Amino acid sequence: GDSVTQMEGPVTLSEEAFLTINCTYTATGYPSLFWYVQYPGEGLQLLLKATKADDKGSNKGFEATYRKETTSFHLEKGSVQVSDSAVYFCALRAYSGNTGKLIFGQGTTLQVKP
Amino acid sequence: NAGVTQTPKFQVLKTGQSMTLQCAQDMNHEYMSWYRQDPGMGLRLIHYSVGAGITDQGEVPNGYNVSRSTTEDFPLRLLSAAPSQTSVYFCASRERTGSYNEQFFGPGTRLTVL
Repeated sequence: GDSVTQMEGPVTLSEEAFLTINCTYTATGYPSLFWYVQYPGEGLQLLLKATKADDKGSNKGFEATYRKETTSFHLEKGSVQVSDSAVYFCALRAYSGNTGKLIFGQGTTLQVKP
Repeated sequence: NAGVTQTPKFQVLKTGQSMTLQCAQDMNHEYMSWYRQDPGMGLRLIHYSVGAGITDQGEVPNGYNVSRSTTEDFPLRLLSAAPSQTSVYFCASRERTGSYNEQFFGPGTRLTVL
């Protein structure tokens, strides 16, 4: 079945460091890919998305490129801030008409120190 | 718009007790779903609904019931709580059509079963 695998956390970085969180997926067909962020004590918010191969999603300085050949959707940011400390979830939705379900990775905790 | 709202925020139950977690959305979304979040396991789908009167099981439905009598509300019922149901529960909604549509999440309900 469809699945998403993220790199193990927690990831601890100093402010202004470069961030990469790896995400790979297994799916039939051509899924849409998402990154969600969960700040402490809150629900999940959509960070960015890509709907087809080679699409690049971007938001708030974060970027991820839909790589069909490597089935990956790695999250990157050039210079992290303390306020980026959160849990990041990679997810996919395989198109199946109206009932396309969102499948999540296990989440990666990012801690940014000043 | 209030978005997706959930009540209560916190709940402690004893084994065998029943309760209902409330979820409501004011975006006229047809698709609603319930997830549980456990450490190291990401979010897992419990039940979902593609419209009023229509519900279906997700990945981990055992021990939970749902109903959808209106577009706005999607309550989750625990009939006889067990310690294994200790978790954080998130309700979500989105427009029904389109695999790329953003899913909006509520703030979550933290449930402890003793």
